[in-house]
Amino acid sequence: EADIYQTPRYLVIGTGKKITLECSQTMGHDKMYWYQQDPGMELHLIHYSYGVNSTEKGDLSSESTVSRIRTEHFPLTLESARPSHTSQYLCASTSGAGQPQHFGDGTRLSIL
Amino acid sequence: KNQVEQSPQSLIILEGKNCTLQCNYTVSPFSNLRWYKQDTGRGPVSLTIMTFSENTKSNGRYTATLDADTKQSSLHITASQLSDSASYICVVSDRGSTLGRLYFGRGTQLTVWP
Repeated sequence: EADIYQTPRYLVIGTGKKITLECSQTMGHDKMYWYQQDPGMELHLIHYSYGVNSTEKGDLSSESTVSRIRTEHFPLTLESARPSHTSQYLCASTSGAGQPQHFGDGTRLSIL
Repeated sequence: KNQVEQSPQSLIILEGKNCTLQCNYTVSPFSNLRWYKQDTGRGPVSLTIMTFSENTKSNGRYTATLDADTKQSSLHITASQLSDSASYICVVSDRGSTLGRLYFGRGTQLTVWP
């Protein structure tokens, strides 16, 4: 069982609010990722990090931002939520190339 | 364009029956192919990994095959159980960058009925 945790699991919030989605892993992995997943669609990479103080944007343009101050923690922030941000957000980590990505159970976000 | 296509989109089978899920990809240069299982409301979990030189790999009742020449993979589930109901996602990794870029299929939604 992978030790990667996401909170909250579900969030329903109004437009314009600032949101932070938490992701923590206890495996000591340097590489961490954020994906966006809509029903019936493939996962899209929105952010990744190769280690502390390293963050990069993924393939899918996102208005969110991320930070990596500690190895185990990779939070994602939306400064002003909009209905278009409604989606499921999955966090993952891996020990390196060729190794499986371990996923959290996701945060299902609904912006009203 | 690097893509991963899965079929069927959804599948319903009776408990105890076998089924096969398909994955076609155009990712190049190819590094490896993984099958993930994603239960409803959970994150994906890796089932198998196939590298270029491997043709078949089993994990319990799950058997994955890879034909690197035709760029096709299949996941065969034997003697299905209710707990097999999930989305099965094919993920292909390239080796064209240090990122080991992943390409995800849309998944096959499998439902096992009693």
